[in-house]
Amino acid sequence: AQTVTQSQPEMSVQEAETVTLSCTYDTSESDYYLFWYKQPPSRQMILVIRQEAYKQQNATENRFSVNFQKAAKSFSLKISDSQLGDAAMYFCAYRSEWYGNKLVFGAGTILRVKS
Amino acid sequence: DTGVSQNPRHKITKRGQNVTFRCDPISEHNRLYWYRQTLGQGPEFLTYFQNEAQLEKSRLLSDRFSAERPKGSFSTLEIQRTEQGDSAMYLCASSLVGAVSNQPQHFGDGTRLSIL
Repeated sequence: AQTVTQSQPEMSVQEAETVTLSCTYDTSESDYYLFWYKQPPSRQMILVIRQEAYKQQNATENRFSVNFQKAAKSFSLKISDSQLGDAAMYFCAYRSEWYGNKLVFGAGTILRVKS
Repeated sequence: DTGVSQNPRHKITKRGQNVTFRCDPISEHNRLYWYRQTLGQGPEFLTYFQNEAQLEKSRLLSDRFSAERPKGSFSTLEIQRTEQGDSAMYLCASSLVGAVSNQPQHFGDGTRLSIL
């Protein structure tokens, strides 16, 4: 079974600075997807960024980028120019290419942004 | 695209009662997923449907839980004889999966269940 580990329960960043959230996963599959989801307090979970395992190029979405290291099974999220609205719980998630498409989530990292 | 809609937003009930939640997915999405999220944890998969067929159920889904998706549109999740441990946020998500499309899951706001 696949597992996802987020080793940082909580992180803080100063507004306009850069922060990196860590995620490692365990799988025996070669084809899969990785995601970062953002969940603001009492609000809907929103997709931040997605990475296909077969792509070597790291995904980027505006201020959000990932460092995908397939051999190391590592998938970190970098947030540049942090904004107050980035404060939320961030979840790393894994999805198999072939088996049901269910998401396997990590425990999450709370990101606090200081003004 | 009106997003995934879940009702009710909050449900408070006494232990032993039955509860039912509803999820309306994004209209063209053929897959619908249920997850459970306890405080401070990531969501855990419960079950999913492709159209009206329930294709996978987690071991977390005990006999007291049942989910349906009649006609492949909205879905309901029923919990019978609720227990304290059922207190959680129940999240619904939907996606469009096909031969040429494999989109990410879009989540609803969730239904928060509190058992007294």
